[in-house]
Amino acid sequence: NAGVMQNPRHLVRRRGQEARLRCSPMKGHSHVYWYRQLPEEGLKFMVYLQKENIIDESGMPKERFSAEFPKEGPSILRIQQVVRGDSAAYFCASSPQDGATNEKLFFGSGTQLSVL
Amino acid sequence: GQQLNQSPQSMFIQEGEDVSMNCTSSSIFNTWLWYKQDPGEGPVLLIALYKAGELTSNGRLTAQFGITRKDSFLNISASIPSDVGIYFCAGYQYNNNDMRFGAGTRLTVKP
Repeated sequence: NAGVMQNPRHLVRRRGQEARLRCSPMKGHSHVYWYRQLPEEGLKFMVYLQKENIIDESGMPKERFSAEFPKEGPSILRIQQVVRGDSAAYFCASSPQDGATNEKLFFGSGTQLSVL
Repeated sequence: GQQLNQSPQSMFIQEGEDVSMNCTSSSIFNTWLWYKQDPGEGPVLLIALYKAGELTSNGRLTAQFGITRKDSFLNISASIPSDVGIYFCAGYQYNNNDMRFGAGTRLTVKP
């Protein structure tokens, strides 16, 4: 899982600011997933993207949250006008989608967002 | 999305004891997976199961894919302190490329 790079590792924002979380998938992986983890809780699915396409965003709040995975560059999870309830660890995972190992997700180390 | 029911939520055991945890769902999955998350890190895949009834081992870890395809269990034998962490089950469905996670089992091992 060391191949999935997330940055920053820690992000502190004041209420009302914007948070941008970046994820570079493993080399050769074209599919990215974002999960949110609250303290003492499990992983909650947010969004699944392929290059330039959002495949499933059923887990993402309709307001303030957006995600993209451009043709070039990392996937970005953007949270506008953050509130204290957005404080959580956000994990990105990638998979190769080569037909043989679609189900194996490789996770990054996460971004811990703290909203003051 | 469909979440999985994972139990127990937490376990406190002595070093050397065996551990068992399980996951159930109302939906059928094509693949069951077990991940471990160390503190401050992302989950790492431990075992993947692809066929109903399949029993797979990875060192001291053994996992089984339930016959109904709606459940799975993970056993850890002779636990050691580095087994501490959160263990997540995950179910995967091919038709919609859908992956769902359980809430996790938090394992504490006392030396």
